[in-house]
Amino acid sequence: QSALTQPASVSGSPGQSITISCTGSSSDVGGYNYVSWYQQHPGKAPKLMIYDVSKWPSGVSDRFSGSKSGNTASLTISGLQAEDEADYYCSSYTSSSTWVFGGGTKLTVL
Amino acid sequence: QLQLQESGPGQVKPSETLSLTCSVSGGSISSSSSSGYYWVWIRQPPGKGLEWIGGAYYSGSTYYNPSLKSRVAISVDTSKNQFSLKVSYVTAADTAVYYCARGHPSGMDVWGQGTTVTVSS
Repeated sequence: QSALTQPASVSGSPGQSITISCTGSSSDVGGYNYVSWYQQHPGKAPKLMIYDVSKWPSGVSDRFSGSKSGNTASLTISGLQAEDEADYYCSSYTSSSTWVFGGGTKLTVL
Repeated sequence: QLQLQESGPGQVKPSETLSLTCSVSGGSISSSSSSGYYWVWIRQPPGKGLEWIGGAYYSGSTYYNPSLKSRVAISVDTSKNQFSLKVSYVTAADTAVYYCARGHPSGMDVWGQGTTVTVSS
């Protein structure tokens, strides 16, 4: 299985919005509404931020939102805050009953 | 609140078998599994991204990353409320932080803190 494709880095100023894309195939992202997004701060375990493309786990800010069109999913963070600076990973369930991650995107808050 | 904790040797010699255990507390593997959850291992080499290793249902069904399938085994022990990972014939490329997590097709919602494993003689 091939890793999902994410941009290596994105940046934005406090208060702005940014979007991170995640491109897969019809065997993963495009075939299921099982895309999830994870936030990882340095030295910490990943944290689930979005599941089922656009749903929030309890306790996650609604400044984070997810969407999908065809084989590409997106994570949008609105009202950027300094604490949003982290690595973000998308993931998708696949037709082989496995999971595949994206390569990760480093978000810098300017 | 469900919590997961990885344990195992921090260093393994090349060509040997890496063995890790994930202990589940604050809930039972069996009760989570009845809701469709399964138990997964993910790793992260130094400075790199996340790699899904595989997962297992408490019933014994397992699913593995095709690139690792020939060297990996995941098992669930409901009596001890823990699950395990074995990676055989390790090389330096297996050096990573290893995470255990609770998985569902929707996402992986509970993670352990991670344990670092270094492959070195």
